[in-house]
Amino acid sequence: DADVTQTPRNRITKTGKRIMLECSQTKGHDRMYWYRQDPGLGLRLIYYSFDVKDINKGEISDGYSVSRQAQAKFSLSLESAIPNQTALYFCATSDMGDGGEQFFGPGTRLTVL
Amino acid sequence: QKEVEQNSGPLSVPEGAIASLNCTYSDRGSQSFFWYRQYSGKSPELIMFIYSNGDKEDGRFTAQLNKASQYVSLLIRDSQPSDSATYLCAVPRRGNTPLVFGKGTRLSVIA
Repeated sequence: DADVTQTPRNRITKTGKRIMLECSQTKGHDRMYWYRQDPGLGLRLIYYSFDVKDINKGEISDGYSVSRQAQAKFSLSLESAIPNQTALYFCATSDMGDGGEQFFGPGTRLTVL
Repeated sequence: QKEVEQNSGPLSVPEGAIASLNCTYSDRGSQSFFWYRQYSGKSPELIMFIYSNGDKEDGRFTAQLNKASQYVSLLIRDSQPSDSATYLCAVPRRGNTPLVFGKGTRLSVIA
């Protein structure tokens, strides 16, 4: 079984809809991250969490919110989706003891019409 | 200067050649450096990490780190078409913060 899973893998929605992307991990890591990736723009950090009680904004948090329900679960919400949020979204985890290496989930391809 | 810079490419090399990918970083205090490979539409996967100045070899891959000049490079020997992907350089910021990723270099190995 995959160590980091994301659901759904693909989603098409309409402008204004609320969307939740979910991430679960079995690696036992404390740290979890959400990124979006757009062609030519690389990986951009949306939010990150270093433990269950810790939530931090990344470089592009506007229009997004997150919830860390447990050590193993970190969800990303788009309260009112807009077309420019169409992107590939990745969840990642890390353990500080690994020197910062991050392990990525398979990604969610989100299309907002 | 951006925190982590990479040439976006595409870098095209013939099959069997050496591919050389470069990355520069701005924080002189950075201690560890990571190279990820990402196939189109897939998630990044770690292929090399390096902490010390000099070279680190793993199979066909060699990471080279020069902290004085603030660059890290990845050499791929005997390049194969299956090496065609985007290669991301990642560097930790100081303090308790996430990795900073470069935008990646797209490599194309021509058979």
